[in-house]
Amino acid sequence: DIVVIQSPESLAVSLGERVTINCKSSQSALYSFNNKNYLAWYQQKPGQPPKLLIYWASSRESGVPDRFSGSGSGTDFTLTISSLQAEDVAVYYCQQYLTPPFTFGGGTKVEIK
Amino acid sequence: EVQLLESGGGLVQPGGSLKISCAASGFTFSSYAMSWVRQAPGKGLEWLSVISGSGGSTHYADSVKGRFTISRDTSKNTLYLQMNSLRGEDTAIYYCSFDMRHWGQGTFVTVSS
Repeated sequence: DIVVIQSPESLAVSLGERVTINCKSSQSALYSFNNKNYLAWYQQKPGQPPKLLIYWASSRESGVPDRFSGSGSGTDFTLTISSLQAEDVAVYYCQQYLTPPFTFGGGTKVEIK
Repeated sequence: EVQLLESGGGLVQPGGSLKISCAASGFTFSSYAMSWVRQAPGKGLEWLSVISGSGGSTHYADSVKGRFTISRDTSKNTLYLQMNSLRGEDTAIYYCSFDMRHWGQGTFVTVSS
């Protein structure tokens, strides 16, 4: 099974500052036949189901603000929030969906400093 | 409008069984693989199982393999999760989802004596 590790577990950042969350998979999430990375990022706020932010590692879901971006390939991925807003306080998860079980990372809690 | 409505959660004793459901509407149910994901109180997301659109292919997380069974009824546009030999650590909110972007609000399962 592919193990997905996120870091850090939590971080506190001032409003307007940059947030970087890392995700590392134990095996490559890149499918060589279509050159796509099967890695997604989600945002979850208390009492709500997860919300898809990024898929194919770097494709932003419709309606997601452009301050959210994803990058990386293979085994190392990053979610960046370019300028933290108050409404971005949440837990963020990455997930590989290349090979079942489609494992999630442990989550990163983002708070305002 | 796409809707996923989970039901059937509740209190069950350790070692007991429970079958939860997810009623789907607003999309062609048989065209999409469907998944179950759970979240224990205060914990992260755990992917559990996926079933293909036809129902002919299923996959499970190791934590539930042999205890849980995913199924679907296209005539009723409903996804199921049969949970047997339940343990305390199965206490969680259970979400159904598809296409990564569509999630229900979840149904809570408590395993306790």
